[in-house]
Amino acid sequence: GQQVMQIPQYQHVQEGEDFTTYCNSSTTLSNIQWYKQRPGGHPVFLIQLVKSGEVKKQNRLTFLFGVSKMNCSLHITATQTTDVGTYFCAGPGGGSRLTFGEGTQLTVNP
Amino acid sequence: DTEVTQTPKHLVMGMTNKKSLKCEQHMGHRAMYWYKQKAKKPPELMFVYSYEKLSINESVPSRFSPECPNSSLLNLHLHALQPEDSALYLCASSQDQLTGGHSGNTIYFGEGSWLTVV
Repeated sequence: GQQVMQIPQYQHVQEGEDFTTYCNSSTTLSNIQWYKQRPGGHPVFLIQLVKSGEVKKQNRLTFLFGVSKMNCSLHITATQTTDVGTYFCAGPGGGSRLTFGEGTQLTVNP
Repeated sequence: DTEVTQTPKHLVMGMTNKKSLKCEQHMGHRAMYWYKQKAKKPPELMFVYSYEKLSINESVPSRFSPECPNSSLLNLHLHALQPEDSALYLCASSQDQLTGGHSGNTIYFGEGSWLTVV
């Protein structure tokens, strides 16, 4: 079945530093979604990208869907302590499923 | 704030107990899901209901029994669970059932029920 690989598994940064997480799929994706899960919380939808090469921004967050539609990334500029959490990419997994990446756990030192 | 509400938020149960997790959404969504999440792992799909009918069972053991009384409600009945079943159980909903070719259908998660089996 389809797999979505996400790296890195963990990222520790100083407040103010940038952060990037990457996802690669074994197959072409029709769309990619991103979720954020705060410690002790539940996954919260952030954004969806559909088009090849699409770039979307939400304040300090920049989301990219690769031209091949097999890879994507999330970049956070000048991290803040409120950015702490685990970021998951997710793509259609076939048969009405959503396949999640393993997640990147971000910690931000003040 | 999530528009998918789950109860209870925390549950401790013995291996011989019978309990239920409940989920409710009022967004008019026609697809509802149960996911299981272990620490530091992504959510794992358990069941999908589409238009109140069970459409996907990811080979979940029969000690987990889902029920969809109506389009807004989803239950997960628990019986004779094992300690390894301890996890965060997430309910979710989407406008329609996800399909591989669709570009929409965001999943909205509830806050989850933290289950501990002792």
